[in-house]
Amino acid sequence: QLQLQESGPGLVKPSETLSLTCTVSGGAISSNTYYWGWIRQPPGKGLEWIGSIYYSGTTYYNAALTNRVSMSISTSKNQFSLRLTSVTAADTASYYCATDKLGATVSGRWFDPWGQGILVTVSS
Amino acid sequence: DIQMTQSPSSLSASVGDRVTITCRASQSIRSYLNWYKQKPGQAPELLIYAASSLQSGVPSRFSGSGSGTDFALTISSLQSEDFATYYCQQSHSSPYSFGQGTKLGIK
Repeated sequence: QLQLQESGPGLVKPSETLSLTCTVSGGAISSNTYYWGWIRQPPGKGLEWIGSIYYSGTTYYNAALTNRVSMSISTSKNQFSLRLTSVTAADTASYYCATDKLGATVSGRWFDPWGQGILVTVSS
Repeated sequence: DIQMTQSPSSLSASVGDRVTITCRASQSIRSYLNWYKQKPGQAPELLIYAASSLQSGVPSRFSGSGSGTDFALTISSLQSEDFATYYCQQSHSSPYSFGQGTKLGIK
């Protein structure tokens, strides 16, 4: 059973870069039936998909963030990472990593399971 | 981009009630619609995928329906653990957007 765990600093200064890592256990990150995604949630607000990455390194990002976001993956460490540059207070949120699962018997994709999330505050 | 609109934004109900939450997409998303439940301080968890498929381990009182632009999540008989916020999410096209959420509270 897949489990995901986010790690990284909980406080980032404005204009600096937010960097988070998600460690996957219980399965190989190199599976061809999964992408690996990041989703964020500002305090008291809704969910926003940031982007997803495949084990091959193929990425696709939310166009609203594409000029500031990058993702990478390490199959040897079973980890994938998020970098968000030039952060502002608007980037304060709980950041979740999740398995972006492709349907096998039905068309579609969905996020399951999720990590517990990490709150990142942007403040000087 | 596809906009997802849930209604109502909040509702109050009692244990044992039947509750329906709706989700409308700004364009057709066929059956590429998922539902999640989120309790305070916790990560979302998948309930329904592909509009009507029940995720393994989710109680059968949860059901999903719809296709195209209009979808619904129904809880047939509310239990105390169901009081939470519910989100729909489309996976038809990037960016994969969520509804604004429906907060289900105790009456």
